[in-house]
Amino acid sequence: AQTVTQSQPEMSVQEAETVTLSCTYDTSESNYYLFWYKQPPSRQMILVIRQEAYKQQNATENRFSVNFQKAAKSFSLKISDSQLGDTAMYFCAFMKQGAQKLVFGQGTRLTINP
Amino acid sequence: KAGVTQTPRYLIKTRGQQVTLSCSPISGHRSVSWYQQTPGQGLQFLFEYFSETQRNKGNFPGRFSGRQFSNSRSEMNVSTLELGDSALYLCASSLGPLGLEIGGRSGELFFGEGSRLTVL
Repeated sequence: AQTVTQSQPEMSVQEAETVTLSCTYDTSESNYYLFWYKQPPSRQMILVIRQEAYKQQNATENRFSVNFQKAAKSFSLKISDSQLGDTAMYFCAFMKQGAQKLVFGQGTRLTINP
Repeated sequence: KAGVTQTPRYLIKTRGQQVTLSCSPISGHRSVSWYQQTPGQGLQFLFEYFSETQRNKGNFPGRFSGRQFSNSRSEMNVSTLELGDSALYLCASSLGPLGLEIGGRSGELFFGEGSRLTVL
């Protein structure tokens, strides 16, 4: 069974700083997808960024980028120029190709301070 | 386009009762997934439905059940409620069957705001 581990339960940075959230996963699959989802306080969870395992190039979405290290089974999220609206729980998730479910990590609570 | 709608948003039940939660997916989305979110266990997969068929079920007891209707709306039911069932229940929809590439968006779930269940 796949597992996803987020080793940082909470993080706090100042507005405009860069922050990196860590995620490691365990799988024997070779084809899979990795995701970062964001859950703002009292609001619905949304997809931040998505990475296909077969792609070597790291995904980027505006201020959000990932560092995907397939051999190390590591998938970290970097948020540049952090904004107050980035305050949220961030979940790393794994889905093997063809599966009907995502496996989520425990989440990292990120607070951006003014 | 309206997002995923879950009802009710909040409910309080007592042990032994049953509860039914409803989820209306984004228009055109045919896959609905359910997750249970608790502080201790995080997000745990409950079920995934596509075209009224349950394609996968998580490791939950038989007290947890669900169904999907022809209009893609979904309901989940929990019978004989226990204190440990207190959680945020999240519904998520996706365009096609989860796990299959649909325009390169496989795994992209659109979540509702959740139904927060408290069992006393």
